[in-house]
Amino acid sequence: QVQLVQSGGEVKKPGASVKVSCKASGYTFATYGISWVRQAPGQGLELMGWVSAYNGNTNYAQNLQGRVTMTTDTSTTTAYMELRGLRSDDTAVYYCARVIPPADQGNYFYGMDVWGQGTTVTVSS
Amino acid sequence: DIQMTQSPSTLSASVGDRVTITCRASQSLSIWLAWYQQKPGKAPKLLIYKASTLESGVPSRFSGSGYGTEFTLTISSLQPDDFATYYCQQYSTYPYTFGQGTKLEIK
Repeated sequence: QVQLVQSGGEVKKPGASVKVSCKASGYTFATYGISWVRQAPGQGLELMGWVSAYNGNTNYAQNLQGRVTMTTDTSTTTAYMELRGLRSDDTAVYYCARVIPPADQGNYFYGMDVWGQGTTVTVSS
Repeated sequence: DIQMTQSPSTLSASVGDRVTITCRASQSLSIWLAWYQQKPGKAPKLLIYKASTLESGVPSRFSGSGYGTEFTLTISSLQPDDFATYYCQQYSTYPYTFGQGTKLEIK
């Protein structure tokens, strides 16, 4: 079945970097984009951006520009999100999610249909 | 950025009730809106996209409607599994923003 499996939780100190992985299976990885969404404790959802597994193109949220990098490795069907210069307000659950529609239907964003289980990132001194 | 405002923030209802959640956008979205359901400790689940297209596998008691700046998610007959938090998301203009969420509670 189609699934995304994320790496385990992380505890980081302020100023450090974190890299979260998202292993895809059950579908043609290069056909879809992968987005990253985070949710601070007790808060709503924030789309951080997404990366096309088809051509590597990225779109990042403006408030994260310069601190975030999203990549894909088609040989291992894995997506990665690296966040640098961590601050306490980066403490959140980080989700990867598949973007629909697939690339062969155009460069569109209709929503996110398959989600990873989430990775908790805690930033604390 | 486009602001998305959901109402109500909290909704108390009973099994079998018909409920409606509203999402208003600060500017026109055409049909570019999705709805998600999230349960505590779980990832969100896509319910509706393009304002009214039901995602595969989602029960038909869920429906979406609207155009422009006002959209609704309707659950025709609440089931025990439906008590959760619901979010709308616009994808008309980047950055693609979410509403603040509507928590659907058991009355």
